[in-house]
Amino acid sequence: DVKVTQSSRYLVKRTGEKVFLECVQDMDHENMFWYRQDPGLGLRLIYFSYDVKMKEKGDIPEGYSVSREKKERFSLILESASTNQTSMYLCASSLNKDGYTFGSGTRLTVV
Amino acid sequence: AQTVTQSQPEMSVQEAETVTLSCTYDTSESDYYLFWYKQPPSRQMILVIRQEAYKQQNATENRFSVNFQKAAKSFSLKISDSQLGDAAMYFCACRAKNNDMRFGAGTRLTVKP
Repeated sequence: DVKVTQSSRYLVKRTGEKVFLECVQDMDHENMFWYRQDPGLGLRLIYFSYDVKMKEKGDIPEGYSVSREKKERFSLILESASTNQTSMYLCASSLNKDGYTFGSGTRLTVV
Repeated sequence: AQTVTQSQPEMSVQEAETVTLSCTYDTSESDYYLFWYKQPPSRQMILVIRQEAYKQQNATENRFSVNFQKAAKSFSLKISDSQLGDAAMYFCACRAKNNDMRFGAGTRLTVKP
C-alpha cells in the first residue's frame, strides 16, 4: 500500500514563528498536494506539485510556500505563522487519474 | 477550477437503513473524475468510490453506490444497510485532467443503533 507520512500529528507554534510541515510518500508518485481542512469549509487546496522543483498555487496560497527538492518529499512552509492559520493540514499524493492517498493530517495550533 | 457543493452539513440514519448524501459540482472540463471520501475520527481520508465522467454506468462498491447525473452535474452517494462503522465525515470531490482535486464542505453522517 502507498503510504503518505506527515511528520507531526499535533503541533503548537507561536505567532510569527516559521513553521515547516513535512510530507513523505513512498510510492514514486509524481503529484503531491497540500490542503487545509476547516469545519464547514471542507478541504481547500493550498499548493501542489507535479514534479521535483515545480510548484503551483492552489486556491489559498497566501501566507504559505512549499518546497519539493526530492520526488518523495513535499514541505509546506508558514513563513510567519498567524492565528488564522490554525487548522488541520492534509498532504496527499497520486498518480495521474487515480484518487489521492492522504496522510493522517497535522493539527496545527498557532498561539 | 472545479467547484463542489454539499448541501447537507449533517445527516443521520438508523442502523441497517439506507441513506443518500447529495453532491453537485461544476466544471468546464469534459474529462473529469468524481470521488467520495470518508473521514472517520481517526482523520485518515479513505476513498469510498470513484466515477469516471465518460462512463454512463453508475459505480458500485459493495454497500456503496452512486447516482451520477451528468447533465444535472449531480453525484450522490447511497449507503445501503448502514453500519455503525459508516459514521464519519463524507467528502465529495471532483478532479479534472489537470489533476488537482476540489472538495465539498463535507457531510457528517451519524448512524443510530
